[in-house]
Amino acid sequence: GDSVTQTEGLVTLTEGLPVMLNCTYQTIYSNPFLFWYVQHLNESPRLLLKSFTDNKRTEHQGFHATLHKSSSSFHLQKSSAQLSDSALYYCALSDRGSALGRLHFGAGTQLIVIP
Amino acid sequence: DAGVTQTPRHEVAEKGQTIILKCEPVSGHNDLFWYRQTKIQGLELLSYFRSKSLMEDGGAFKDRFKAEMLNSSFSTLKIQPTEPKDSAVYLCASSRPGVAWEQFFGPGTRLTVL
Repeated sequence: GDSVTQTEGLVTLTEGLPVMLNCTYQTIYSNPFLFWYVQHLNESPRLLLKSFTDNKRTEHQGFHATLHKSSSSFHLQKSSAQLSDSALYYCALSDRGSALGRLHFGAGTQLIVIP
Repeated sequence: DAGVTQTPRHEVAEKGQTIILKCEPVSGHNDLFWYRQTKIQGLELLSYFRSKSLMEDGGAFKDRFKAEMLNSSFSTLKIQPTEPKDSAVYLCASSRPGVAWEQFFGPGTRLTVL
């Protein structure tokens, strides 16, 4: 079945260093939609980024990700971490493409940014 | 427009009790989801409705968990009977494919079962 793998459960970074959170996926669907959701402490998850197009970079709020179907990856990056980036990040996959449907969420990566 | 609303925000139950959590999706959204969130398991899908029809029922949760959509703007999640391992945050989300490819989450209900 469809699945999403986030290899890091916890990432601790010093402010100003680059961020990279890994996300790989498995699906039989040829046109997957990939998402990154962010959840700050005591809040609910909210959409950070989404992508439907192979090899096209998508950006929002300083973060960016590129869907690579050849490697089934959708890694989240940022050039310089800020203290306010500390949060739980979920990568997610839609197995119905534009019909969206349910999302398959990864286990989540907790990002902690320290001064 | 109002977002997804959930009540109550906090619930404390004794083991064996029946509890009902409520959710109102964003107006006009026809997909509704119930999730359970814990630190260990992350986000787990409990139920998924499209236009009030049950599309998916989380296999591991079938025996004591029952979600219903009474109408297009109201859903409930019943847990009967509750067990201490049910202590978690229960999140409701809604979406409207074709308009915005995004699930909007409610604030959640934090359930503690003693």
